[in-house]
Amino acid sequence: SAVISQKPSRDICQRGTSLTIQCQVDSQVTMMFWYRQQPGQSLTLIATANQGSEATYESGFVIDKFPISRPNLTFSTLTVSNMSPEDSSIYLCSGTGFTDTQYFGPGTRLTVL
Amino acid sequence: GENVEQHPSTLSVQEGDSAVIKCTYSDSASNYFPWYKQELGKRPQLIIDIRSNVGEKKDQRIAVTLNKTAKHFSLHITETQPEDSAVYFCAASGETSGSRLTFGEGTQLTVNP
Repeated sequence: SAVISQKPSRDICQRGTSLTIQCQVDSQVTMMFWYRQQPGQSLTLIATANQGSEATYESGFVIDKFPISRPNLTFSTLTVSNMSPEDSSIYLCSGTGFTDTQYFGPGTRLTVL
Repeated sequence: GENVEQHPSTLSVQEGDSAVIKCTYSDSASNYFPWYKQELGKRPQLIIDIRSNVGEKKDQRIAVTLNKTAKHFSLHITETQPEDSAVYFCAASGETSGSRLTFGEGTQLTVNP
């Protein structure tokens, strides 16, 4: 199974600022995804991170708010821009190999004051 | 798009009893159904998955059944132990969703000693 790490593990930010979350996978994956999980709730897909091209966003999520990069097969970043308290959540990245099996990173717990 | 419903939202059982969690999905093209276990403050961990060409899959105390006609699948945990206490999520994906997972709302399982 893929080993996925994220940085930072948690952060407390002021409203109006931006935070970039990094996701590193230890082996090549075909697909990488970013999810949001609000406290006590399920996982909601934000976008699919495409290598070398613009991410594919789900309904309700836009590139200006959540810009995503994926410069190579094993690394991706998610930026949460112009943050408000409503952005307080856990952000998780995930990756799949040549099967559908999807593994998750440990998550980044974001608190916006 | 896909919609996954999960029941019950909470489940309390006595140690040694069985637990069953059920999910229904809407997209008949979905063909991959994983189950994740998430302990408090931890990442979702894949515990078992099933593909649409299989009706049942077992792994020790855990089993998953799939009824494609009715579009529902279930997680069965036998001989439950206190360490099985966690939130369990079902999910679905298919060729039309490109490995993108749609999650159910989760089931909080509590196993009482």
